[in-house]
Amino acid sequence: AQTVTQSQPEMSVQEAETVTLSCTYDTSESDYYLFWYKQPPSRQMILVIRQEAYKQQNATENRFSVNFQKAAKSFSLKISDSQLGDAAMYFCAYSHNTDKLIFGTGTRLQVFP
Amino acid sequence: DTEVTQTPKHLVMGMTNKKSLKCEQHMGHRAMYWYKQKAKKPPELMFVYSYEKLSINESVPSRFSPECPNSSLLNLHLHALQPEDSALYLCASSQGASPSGEQFFGPGTRLTVL
Repeated sequence: AQTVTQSQPEMSVQEAETVTLSCTYDTSESDYYLFWYKQPPSRQMILVIRQEAYKQQNATENRFSVNFQKAAKSFSLKISDSQLGDAAMYFCAYSHNTDKLIFGTGTRLQVFP
Repeated sequence: DTEVTQTPKHLVMGMTNKKSLKCEQHMGHRAMYWYKQKAKKPPELMFVYSYEKLSINESVPSRFSPECPNSSLLNLHLHALQPEDSALYLCASSQGASPSGEQFFGPGTRLTVL
């Protein structure tokens, strides 16, 4: 069975600094998708970034980038130039050829001014 | 319109009540989802509808009954709930039965069962 592990329950970063959130996963599949979702307090969950496993190039979206290491089954999220609005729960998620998203346990990110 | 809307925002019900949660999207998405989320936990998938047919039921108790009247609407009927069912109920939608697609989440209904 596929699993997603986020080993950092909480992280903190100062405004304008860079922070990296860790995610590892376990799967026997070769073709799958990985996601980082952000859930701000009392607000909607939104997709931050997506990575297709067959693509070697790491995905980037503005200040957000991933370090995808397929062999190591690692998928970390780097947030550069952190902003107060980045404070949220971040969930790493995995999907194969079904409609199911398998979520990690989440990392709560605090951003200090 | 890239929004998933959910009503009501908050719901308090007794264990003998019958209530319904409603979810709506107008993005032409053909897959819709119900999740249950406890505080500080990830969402847990409950049901998936694909092209208006129930495709996944994650062994959810029968006191939760989903309904998909059309491709834009998703309901969750609640009956004889238990206090442990208190949680945030999230609805989501995606373009179709494809794992590469982004799931768009609604703001959720905060349910309290007394």
